[in-house]
Parts: sequence; C-alpha cells; structure tokens
Amino acid sequence: AQTVTQSQPEMSVQEAETVTLSCTYDTSENNYYLFWYKQPPSRQMILVIRQEAYKQQNATENRFSVNFQKAAKSFSLKISDSQLGDTAMYFCALRDLGAGNMLTFGGGTRLMVKP
Amino acid sequence: DTAVSQTPKYLVTQMGNDKSIKCEQNLGHDTMYWYKQDSKKFLKIMFSYNNKELIINETVPNRFSPKSPDKAHLNLHINSLELGDSAVYFCASGSSYEQYFGPGTRLTVT
Repeated sequence: AQTVTQSQPEMSVQEAETVTLSCTYDTSENNYYLFWYKQPPSRQMILVIRQEAYKQQNATENRFSVNFQKAAKSFSLKISDSQLGDTAMYFCALRDLGAGNMLTFGGGTRLMVKP
Repeated sequence: DTAVSQTPKYLVTQMGNDKSIKCEQNLGHDTMYWYKQDSKKFLKIMFSYNNKELIINETVPNRFSPKSPDKAHLNLHINSLELGDSAVYFCASGSSYEQYFGPGTRLTVT
C-alpha cells in the first residue's frame, strides 16, 4: 500500500520570505505522479504543482517549486516570496498509476504567513 | 465556467435520513472520484469511477453508493446517516496527470 507522510503539522513564515514544506512517500511502483494541493479557508482544493516520477527535472510554477528526490522518496515544496494569500493547508499527494488513479494524501501542513 | 461543481455546499440532516450529493464536471474527463475529509483534515478516497469500472474503497460502508448517469456526473447517495458521517465530501475528476476538485459539501449529521 502506498503512503504519504507530512511531518510538519504547522509552519509559519514571514511575508516575502521562503518556506519549505516536507513530504515523504512510499510506493512500490516506478511510474507515478506527485502533487501539492493548497486548501485555503474557503476549503477549495487547488492544484499547486505536479511532478512526474520519470522526470528528473524539478517542477516549477511561478513562486512554487519542488525538490524531488526519487531515491529518497522525498517531495518537498518551496514557496518563495511568501504572500499573505499563501496562508492555507497544504497537502502532498501521490497518484500510483496502478491504483485506479486515486490520490493518496498526506496529513497536511498548516502554513501561516505573517505580515 | 466552474470545472467541477457540487450541490449542495452545505447539508444538515438528522441521523437515519437518506441524502444525496450531486457532482458535475465539464472537463471531459473519463474518471471521477469521491473523497472524504474528516474533522482533522485527513483526506481519503472513497470511490473511483469511470465509464467502465467502479472501484470501491473497502473501508467505505455499503450505506454509501455512487451513481453515475453519464460521464459528466457522479452522485453520492448515503443511506441511514450516522453521526460519524459528518465530514466534508469532495468530488473530483481527472486524467492520469491531473485531478481537479469540486468546492466540497459540508455534511453535518445531528
């Protein structure tokens, strides 16, 4: 069975600074996708960034980037120039292509951006 | 132009009642899903459904049943509601490399 672990229940960062959220996972598959989702207080789940396991290059989306370490099964999210609107729950998720394309989520990290 | 929509957004009902949550997607995806988010924010898959196959999570009670009238819709029916069913339920649709979520339905069972 695949698992996703987020070891930081809560984090805070000052506005304009950089913060890194950690995620580790376990899967027996070689082909899979990893995702970070943001859930603001509105509770909407917003896709932030995705990474294909077969790509060595780390994904980047504007201020968001990942550090994907396949051998270590690590997938951290870096948020640069943090903004107040980044305050939210962040979920790491794994899609194992052999498991009906369902997502397995980590427990989430609550990020607070302070002015 | 909402990609994945759910109705209702809030649902308050009494124990023992039967209720349904509707979901529609206009993204053209073949696969739709239901997830449950509990009070501690844990998100867990309940069902995955496409035109050909329903994949049921074994931990989901059989009081929960998904119904798909067509590829763009996946409704969730819940019979004999219990207090422990209180949660936020998310519908999602996706392909192999992306998955988009609806706004969620907060279900409160009293």
